[in-house]
Amino acid sequence: KNQVEQSPQSLIILEGKNCTLQCNYTVSPFSNLRWYKQDTGRGPVSLTIMTFSENTKSNGRYTATLDADTKQSSLHITASQLSDSASYICVVSEQTSYDKVIFGPGTSLSVIP
Amino acid sequence: GAGVSQSPSNKVTEKGKDVELRCDPISGHTALYWYRQSLGQGLEFLIYFQGNSAPDKSGLPSDRFSAERTGGSVSTLTIQRTQQEDSAVYLCASSLDRRLGTEAFFGQGTRLTVV
Repeated sequence: KNQVEQSPQSLIILEGKNCTLQCNYTVSPFSNLRWYKQDTGRGPVSLTIMTFSENTKSNGRYTATLDADTKQSSLHITASQLSDSASYICVVSEQTSYDKVIFGPGTSLSVIP
Repeated sequence: GAGVSQSPSNKVTEKGKDVELRCDPISGHTALYWYRQSLGQGLEFLIYFQGNSAPDKSGLPSDRFSAERTGGSVSTLTIQRTQQEDSAVYLCASSLDRRLGTEAFFGQGTRLTVV
C-alpha cells in the first residue's frame, strides 16, 4: 500500500533556530515529491517540488532533500521566523496515468519567541 | 480571480440536511481535486477530475457524497443527509496537468459544521 509518513508529528522551536522535518514514503512507482506549507485556516501552498533525479532544492530559507533510493525526504528550515509556524505536508505523486497524489499527515511546527 | 475560489467559506447545517459546496478553479486548469481535512488531521482525498476523463471517485467515503464538474470548470461537491462526522474543512485544488507534475493550487476551503 502506498503511504507517506512524516516525523515528528509536532515540533516547537525558538525563533532563529534551525529545524529539519522528515518524510518517508513507500509510493511506487514514484513521480515527484512536494512539500506544502499550510497556515492555520488556509489551504496548503507549495514550497518545493522534486523529481526522481533531484537531490536537493532550495526556496529561500527552505531546503528540501530527496533520497529516492531510501525513499526519504527532508525539509530544512534555516533561521526560523514566527511566520514559519504552520503545518508542513509532504506529498508524493504516484506515477499513474495522471500522477495520483498521496498526502502525508503533516508536521505541525510552532516557532516561539 | 487569480486563485481557486470556494464558497461558502463557512456552512453550518442540521444533521440530515443536504449541502452543496462550490469550487471555482484557476482558469485553464484541467485537473481539479476535492479533499477533506478534519480538525488536526491530514488531508483526505475525495475525488479527482482530469479534463474529460472519468473522475477518480475512489476517495468518496460513502454514497452520500457526490461531485460534478460542469464544462470542465466549476465543481460542486454535494453531501446528502449530512452526519456529524461530515464536519470538516473541505478543500478544493486545481492544477494545469497532473502528468506534468505541476503544482496544485488550493482554495481557502469550506468549513462545514453539522449540528
